[in-house]
Amino acid sequence: RKEVEQDPGPFNVPEGATVAFNCTYSNSASQSFFWYRQDCRKEPKLLMSVYSSGNEDGRFTAQLNRASQYISLLIRDSKLSDSATYLCVVRSPGTYKYIFGTGTRLKVLA
Amino acid sequence: EAGVTQFPSHSVIEKGQTVTLRCDPISGHDNLYWYRRVMGKEIKFLLHFVKESKQDESGMPNNRFLAERTGGTYSTLKVQPAELEDSGVYFCASSQETGTSYEQYFGPGTRLTVT
Repeated sequence: RKEVEQDPGPFNVPEGATVAFNCTYSNSASQSFFWYRQDCRKEPKLLMSVYSSGNEDGRFTAQLNRASQYISLLIRDSKLSDSATYLCVVRSPGTYKYIFGTGTRLKVLA
Repeated sequence: EAGVTQFPSHSVIEKGQTVTLRCDPISGHDNLYWYRRVMGKEIKFLLHFVKESKQDESGMPNNRFLAERTGGTYSTLKVQPAELEDSGVYFCASSQETGTSYEQYFGPGTRLTVT
């Protein structure tokens, strides 16, 4: 079983739609979680850290469910510019090492 | 503020040759990381420096890879001799030492092709 698992997609959604991605992690001791966005042939860019209480940044909301060991990302009112790959990242406990999921590809259609 | 920079952006070398990749972290970031993405796979951790010291090199694939960070500023990653399976995108990242925030900022990557 992979340490961080994501549905690779692609998720094809119309502009204005709401879309949600989940990501599961295997190590229950994990403490830090992140969502990164990666455009084609570019570097991962930090979208948001995921806090225990959940957090929101504009149209983006991240949630953590420790009991079920998953994190989620909700995007409301999708824009064409949201088209990208969304990477779920978990910090390996006791280290600074990031463990990446394979990414979920999102395409927002006009 | 300048972000993480990497050089070169692309490198094409033949099997058996040597390549050296360079990373300049964000100014003031003591933590520097190397990651790699090979075709079709997820990004994987290679190693972590704190200043000039190797903190964690558990992801280094074998002894053909040598990373250095003399003086605790920029870092180099040398592959010698290169093999076909070393092809991929090598990302560098850096972060501040805050104790509570573990956010890493990535450079644009070096795309390495070994033929």
